[in-house]
Amino acid sequence: AQSVTQLGSHVSVSEGALVLLRCNYSSSVPPYLFWYVQYPNQGLQLLLKYTSAATLVKGINGFEAEFKKSETSFHLTKPSAHMSDAAEYFCAVSPIKAAGNKLTFGGGTRVLVKP
Amino acid sequence: GAGVSQSPRYKVTKRGQDVALRCDPISGHVSLYWYRQALGQGPEFLTYFNYEAQQDKSGLPNDRFSAERPEGSISTLTIQRTEQRDSAMYRCASSLWPGEQFFGPGTRLTVL
Repeated sequence: AQSVTQLGSHVSVSEGALVLLRCNYSSSVPPYLFWYVQYPNQGLQLLLKYTSAATLVKGINGFEAEFKKSETSFHLTKPSAHMSDAAEYFCAVSPIKAAGNKLTFGGGTRVLVKP
Repeated sequence: GAGVSQSPRYKVTKRGQDVALRCDPISGHVSLYWYRQALGQGPEFLTYFNYEAQQDKSGLPNDRFSAERPEGSISTLTIQRTEQRDSAMYRCASSLWPGEQFFGPGTRLTVL
């Protein structure tokens, strides 16, 4: 069984400040890990993914995430927030060696960027 | 080509009615997934197909929910005898096998 916990359903950051979104997972098998972003009235868009290669993963729009097996975490960061980063972010996990690659999502974190 | 499309984008129905939600995946994508997202929550897996074969339907909440993909392309998620608790955003995704899932814009279902 797998689960994902995102700490904080809402995060408010100032423009130019660090964005840090927390994700912890539990999985009985080695996982793939993902961060998705959802803008209003749009579908989920993949930001980045960890697939057992480098533990520090760089994604689109200046985001990156680090896989820490000992902490079962996959936190998402961006050094300097931009107004366009206001959106909802979802962490997700899928098992590496299971058929289907179905995703298990966390509850999401909504990011508000203040000017 | 174009991304994943879903129709209708919005559906309002009365309790007890049947609804059919359509997903048109990216051309050539083998796998198609259905997820349901309640307000304020993350998406939850419902079912998925490889080509026309339904591989996993463990996430379908009860037997009022069914899905098909008869020709291995377009898929329909059908909810019979809708209930208010079925109100949610229904999301479809497609992927090559294996690969990144590309999501459609979703269908917002409201059951009155």
